[in-house]
Parts: sequence; C-alpha cells; structure tokens
Amino acid sequence: AQSVTQLDSQVPVFEEAPVELRCNYSSSVSVYLFWYVQYPNQGLQLLLKYLSGSTLVKGINGFEAEFNKSQTSFHLRKPSVHISDTAEYFCAVSGGSNYKLTFGKGTLLTVNP
Amino acid sequence: DAGVTQSPTHLIKTRGQQVTLRCSPISGHKSVSWYQQVLGQGPQFIFQYYEKEERGRGNFPDRFSARQFPNYSSELNVNALLLGDSALYLCASSLVQAATELFFGEGSRLTVL
Repeated sequence: AQSVTQLDSQVPVFEEAPVELRCNYSSSVSVYLFWYVQYPNQGLQLLLKYLSGSTLVKGINGFEAEFNKSQTSFHLRKPSVHISDTAEYFCAVSGGSNYKLTFGKGTLLTVNP
Repeated sequence: DAGVTQSPTHLIKTRGQQVTLRCSPISGHKSVSWYQQVLGQGPQFIFQYYEKEERGRGNFPDRFSARQFPNYSSELNVNALLLGDSALYLCASSLVQAATELFFGEGSRLTVL
C-alpha cells in the first residue's frame, strides 16, 4: 500500500516570493508521483507528474518538482508566486495497483499582496 | 472540447435516502474513476471502471455501487445515506486504465442532513 504525507497544511507567502510545498510518500513498489491543484469550488487539475526518467519535472504555470528516491520526497516549487496561485495543492502517488491515486491531505497555499 | 461533466452539482438528502450521481467522461476516454473528498481532506478512491468493467474498488461499504454504460458514462449510487457521506464526489476520466493522467470534473457536492 502507498501513503502520502504533506508536511504543511497551510503555507502563506507574499506575491513574487518563492515557495516550496513538501510531500513525502511511502511505498513498497515503484511509484508514479503527481501534484494536482484545486481552485475553490472546482475539480482537480494536474500540475505535473513523474513517471520515469529525469527526476526534475516541469509542469504548468511555472511549477516544478523533484523526485528524490532516497528521501522518498516529491516537493513542489515555484520561484515566484502570483495571487492567482492561491489554491489547495494535493500530492498523490500511484504504484502497484496503478489504476488509483492515493492523495495527501492537501496544502493550502495563500499568496498575499 | 467538453471536459468531464458531472450532475447534479449540488444536492441535499436526508439520512437513509439513496442518491445517484452521474458522470460523462471526455470523448474517447474509456476509464472512469470515482473519488470522495470530505471537507479538509484529500480525495479518496472509491471505484474505477474501464471498458465497462469494475477494475478496482476502494475501502468503501457495499452501500456504494457504480456502473459504466456502453457510451462510457458512469453512475455512482449510494444507499442508506449516513451523515458521514456528506462530501464532494469527484469523477475522473482517462484514456487508459492506468491513472497516469486523470481529468477531473468539478464534482457533485452531497449534503446529508
């Protein structure tokens, strides 16, 4: 079985500051890793994913994440955030039974002017 | 192109009632998955259907059931509703069975009184 821990439930930052949202996972098998974003009253949108290959993954809206197998982490980063990045961010893992995703509890990113 | 559409968007039921939620996948997608998102939590996997067959089931009681139709649309049924069933129910579709790129609808918000 897989599990995901998002280490911060809330992250407040100022506009144009860098941000890192932390995610750790556990799995006994090889995994696929994902970050999704959820804006208020909307469904989830895929930001980026790691399936194989380069451990540095670039996604939409200027986000990137790095897969670190030894530390079982997949942290999400953005060098300069905008007000419009305010949303809930979910880390997810798929492995073994790869038809389903296991999500973390989410991190609320609030970007203040 | 239309994304994943879900209906109804909001509904209120009382304990003991039954509810049916509907989902239309993106055209050409053969896989539909259902997730439950309780307030303040990440989505939790309920079912996956691929090519009209159940391919996976999460840790939910038998009160939850689903089916996929020949046009690949899907219904989720919940019987004998409990207060704890109050949640956002998300449908996701994908081209393949593996959850490597899920496209989510905006969800059906169920409130059980």
